Amino acid sequence: GAGVSQSPSNKVTEKGKDVELRCDPISGHTALYWYRQSLGQGLEFLIYFQGNSAPDKSGLPSDRFSAERTGGSVSTLTIQRTQQEDSAVYLCASSLEPSRHNEQFFGPGTRLTVL
Amino acid sequence: AQSVTQLDSQVPVFEEAPVELRCNYSSSVSVYLFWYVQYPNQGLQLLLKYLSGSTLVKGINGFEAEFNKSQTSFHLRKPSVHISDTAEYFCAVKTGTASKLTFGTGTRLQVTL
Repeated sequence: GAGVSQSPSNKVTEKGKDVELRCDPISGHTALYWYRQSLGQGLEFLIYFQGNSAPDKSGLPSDRFSAERTGGSVSTLTIQRTQQEDSAVYLCASSLEPSRHNEQFFGPGTRLTVL
Repeated sequence: AQSVTQLDSQVPVFEEAPVELRCNYSSSVSVYLFWYVQYPNQGLQLLLKYLSGSTLVKGINGFEAEFNKSQTSFHLRKPSVHISDTAEYFCAVKTGTASKLTFGTGTRLQVTL
């Protein structure tokens, strides 16, 4: 079946502009995660959604970052007033539910370059 | 809070040689451990996971890992690598109460002839 999809695959923007990154999780997966992969860094957790519960936003690096998940499915990560340090690959993952047994399935990522 | 250390940023190895990628973690509570692989321009794929039970875990593509609680390690091994194993490998930890994965910085495995 279809895996996690993300769009766009690549995004180049100018410093100060806003960007939106989209994630389509696997159908039926209730948990959705956003991670950021920066050059030379590991993957950093950004935000997590589970069903109708309040999202865990503890990993968002600043108030310029926000995310929403509409209808328990598609999620959008928005970065306002982008900075060069925001350049990274943004990965989305989904799982059936956030228990220890359930594997997180990752999308191919969106590579964001801020000039 | 938990953390993961992958000491080797790059590991070069010849084809058909054995390889070990090291992973150490720190956590004050019980952990669940994972190894993911990332091929060029692709997302992460789960190789194997340790949740409980046998400390030797076998995964896909001939990889295995051993959970060592006393040494807080979860090293990944393969007895004979192939060119197609060239990729980035990430170790990750998750605690029982957390939903997120905490990743190491990754190890680049470069297999050559």
